Amino acid sequence: SQKIEQNSEALNIQEGKTATLTCNYTNYSPAYLQWYRQDPGRGPVFLLLIRENEKEKRKERLKVTFDTTLKQSLFHITASQPADSATYLCALEGDGSGNTGKLIFGQGTTLQVKP
Amino acid sequence: NAGVTQTPKFQVLKTGQSMTLQCAQDMNHEYMSWYRQDPGMGLRLIHYSVGAGITDQGEVPNGYNVSRSTTEDFPLRLLSAAPSQTSVYFCASSYSLRGRGGTDTQYFGPGTRLTVL
Repeated sequence: SQKIEQNSEALNIQEGKTATLTCNYTNYSPAYLQWYRQDPGRGPVFLLLIRENEKEKRKERLKVTFDTTLKQSLFHITASQPADSATYLCALEGDGSGNTGKLIFGQGTTLQVKP
Repeated sequence: NAGVTQTPKFQVLKTGQSMTLQCAQDMNHEYMSWYRQDPGMGLRLIHYSVGAGITDQGEVPNGYNVSRSTTEDFPLRLLSAAPSQTSVYFCASSYSLRGRGGTDTQYFGPGTRLTVL
């Protein structure tokens, strides 16, 4: 079955720097990969989706890349701000067919941006 | 739109008690799911539904039942609560996860924090 690995250690960076978070998966390449943000005590909120035929996707200060050879997605936040401090989760479909409801999540990486 | 709503927000149960966590969405989404979130474990899929009358198991279904009689509602039942079910439970919905062309953005509820003593 598919496994997702995100760095469980918190990422601490200085305000204004670029934060880079990693999501690795172990088996088949998914049809798409999603990134979510979760604040303490709240449900995850969708940020970006990147499809298998896309190498890069941007939204304001956010950028996601998808490398199916490396089985990896990178999530970048440029010009980071203290308000970007949160846990970031990656998710992908669970069995590779793109035809099920099995969306699975990584354990998330906590980002702390210091002023 | 209210989005995805969950009740209750907090619940304390004794071992062996049963209860139902409620989830409702007003976005006419076909797909609904339940996750539990434990420290260091991330979100784990319990059960999901691709439409009214259709449900299936996720990664950790044991001890939980679901049904989907309407598009809007997807309750999660704990049959006989155990301390291992202490967790935060999230319900989510999306248009559809069928087909490789879907966008499948998940909309999450605010969560239910459950403690089983």
